[in-house]
Amino acid sequence: GAGVSQSPRYKVTKRGQDVALRCDPISGHVSLYWYRQALGQGPEFLTYFNYEAQQDKSGLPNDRFSAERPEGSISTLTIQRTEQRDSAMYRCASSLTSGEASRFFGPGTRLTVL
Amino acid sequence: GQQLNQSPQSMFIQEGEDVSMNCTSSSIFNTWLWYKQDPGEGPVLLIALYKAGELTSNGRLTAQFGITRKDSFLNISASIPSDVGIYFCAGQSGNNRKLIWGLGTSLAVNP
Repeated sequence: GAGVSQSPRYKVTKRGQDVALRCDPISGHVSLYWYRQALGQGPEFLTYFNYEAQQDKSGLPNDRFSAERPEGSISTLTIQRTEQRDSAMYRCASSLTSGEASRFFGPGTRLTVL
Repeated sequence: GQQLNQSPQSMFIQEGEDVSMNCTSSSIFNTWLWYKQDPGEGPVLLIALYKAGELTSNGRLTAQFGITRKDSFLNISASIPSDVGIYFCAGQSGNNRKLIWGLGTSLAVNP
């Protein structure tokens, strides 16, 4: 596609449910990043991939959060047993090369946990 | 998580005025980045800085990588209404690609 896409754009779920957020990066981009952005805050790094390899997951808040990019393209961020504090905008970004900063951001998935 | 000190938190200026904002860190970075975010949109990369002392321009925007590698500033000259938005700084250290972000500077321009 022309840009980074994310789905769903909005997700409302009940506490305790699992959610899966999808990111479709720009075709051919090597690096894919996941961020979380609370209202009024800057983005907070969660994890990133080069191709299918997860390079750094130090930003994942706890073991309920996981991410994968099995074929080096689409990535899924999964949150298990969601809690209200997980409510935020989850953004994905991709870069053409591994040496480039997060350049192209997707529109985000707004997650609300009731 | 760790976030950078970015100031001012907000600015309200007249069209045509110049704007300056800065970002400081307690640790050394080897990359500084400046982004703009419009309401409901993702951040857009404006300027990337890779070398201490580097001064880079992008149209009316100028950014500098501080010589101490612990700060950076962004200037916008002759502001226009479409400059309205939130400006974020972000820094990166070492070889990993983890970005540490500022809390943002909200800019409002009065036409």
